[in-house]
Amino acid sequence: GESVGLHLPTLSVQEGDNSIINCAYSNSASDYFIWYKQESGKGPQFIIDIRSNMDKRQGQRVTVLLNKTVKHLSLQIAATQPGDSAVYFCAENPWDAGNMLTFGGGTRLMVKP
Amino acid sequence: DAGVIQSPRHEVTEMGQEVTLRCKPISGHNSLFWYRQTMMRGLELLIYFNNNVPIDDSGMPEDRFSAKMPNASFSTLKIQPSEPRDSAVYFCASRKGGQPQHFGDGTRLSIL
Repeated sequence: GESVGLHLPTLSVQEGDNSIINCAYSNSASDYFIWYKQESGKGPQFIIDIRSNMDKRQGQRVTVLLNKTVKHLSLQIAATQPGDSAVYFCAENPWDAGNMLTFGGGTRLMVKP
Repeated sequence: DAGVIQSPRHEVTEMGQEVTLRCKPISGHNSLFWYRQTMMRGLELLIYFNNNVPIDDSGMPEDRFSAKMPNASFSTLKIQPSEPRDSAVYFCASRKGGQPQHFGDGTRLSIL
């Protein structure tokens, strides 16, 4: 299945607040998931990843949650900063797709000072 | 560490011309990917290589597109002849083992 969307939803948060960006995936065979951040004029930058044998993984100020039952992935950013403003993409890798990733349509995060 | 390096960063050319995009993956990475990003279709995988061998090119739009990887440190994506609908940002990414893909900063291609 594919989880690519054509729209670009926007999340607007106040600096210092926590942000939650959501992603729905459709392929139950996906066993590896990645969040990327893309700033204007740059390529996607790796943030954090998670494998399907985990429900939660934490990094520096970021947490990824995986709910396989409802095929849902979320990225939580603590104490959001202006530098976090970007488009965030989730990507999934089915176990039978080799190295291929399928990207979601992205969410634009805008941080208000 | 040097990341994935793409050139040129910007390319503007007239339709019908040949376009060649270049990519230098991160040293030691054994997989290389070419993507195209547009507002309408998002980020699409065109082709990827493992150990310099093309594995899946099902995303290549048509025969006007071709990609090569003559060695582990260089790959090209060629469009001949180019058309206005090929205008997009083209990204190259590389990875090794079970690690995530790392992207270059892309080539913004405009076909007039």
